[in-house]
Amino acid sequence: QVHLVESGGGVVQPGGSLRLSCAASGFSFNTFGMHWVRQTPGKGLEWVAFIRKDGSIKYQEGSVKGRFTISRDSSKNTLYLQLNDLRPEDTAVYYCAKDDPVFDYWGQGTLVTVSS
Amino acid sequence: DLQMTQSPSTLSASVGDRVTITCRASQSIRKYLAWYQQQAGKAPKLLIYEASSLKSGVPSRFSGSGFGTEFTLTISSLQPDDFATYYCQHYDGYPWTFGQGTKLEIE
Repeated sequence: QVHLVESGGGVVQPGGSLRLSCAASGFSFNTFGMHWVRQTPGKGLEWVAFIRKDGSIKYQEGSVKGRFTISRDSSKNTLYLQLNDLRPEDTAVYYCAKDDPVFDYWGQGTLVTVSS
Repeated sequence: DLQMTQSPSTLSASVGDRVTITCRASQSIRKYLAWYQQQAGKAPKLLIYEASSLKSGVPSRFSGSGFGTEFTLTISSLQPDDFATYYCQHYDGYPWTFGQGTKLEIE
């Protein structure tokens, strides 16, 4: 069965960096696009970034362009999100999700807290 | 960007009730509308895709309808496990956007 496990979250100061990982199993990772979605505490869902199955196309939400970078390593069946220049408003649970093209499977999420 | 608007934001109901949640897109998204259920403290789960197709394993008391800009999610007879937050989402291309959510509470 499909399994997505995020890791890499934590507490970071404003302006700091983190790299999130999403380990995928149970499906052919290199045949599906992948997304990152975040959820701020007590609030709704916000799509953050997408990467095509072969990594050739990437999209980011406007407020993270130039700061967040999505990537993938098919040899490790792992999706990444590099978070730079973090701001307090980036505090959220970050989920990875498989694209088919609906978001049919989600990981359990990893919490990123940006605070001084 | 395309906006997704859900109503109501909160819905109070009882076990056995029939409830309907509405989602409106700011422009046509054809049939590319999904519904997700999120239990407190857990990740969202896909319920319905292409506006009306039930994901395998989802109980048949859940149904969806609509096309273009107006969509509904109906739960025919509420069960205790259905009290959660529901989100609609369009996937008719970048950028993907979600509705603000509807919290279904026990009355």
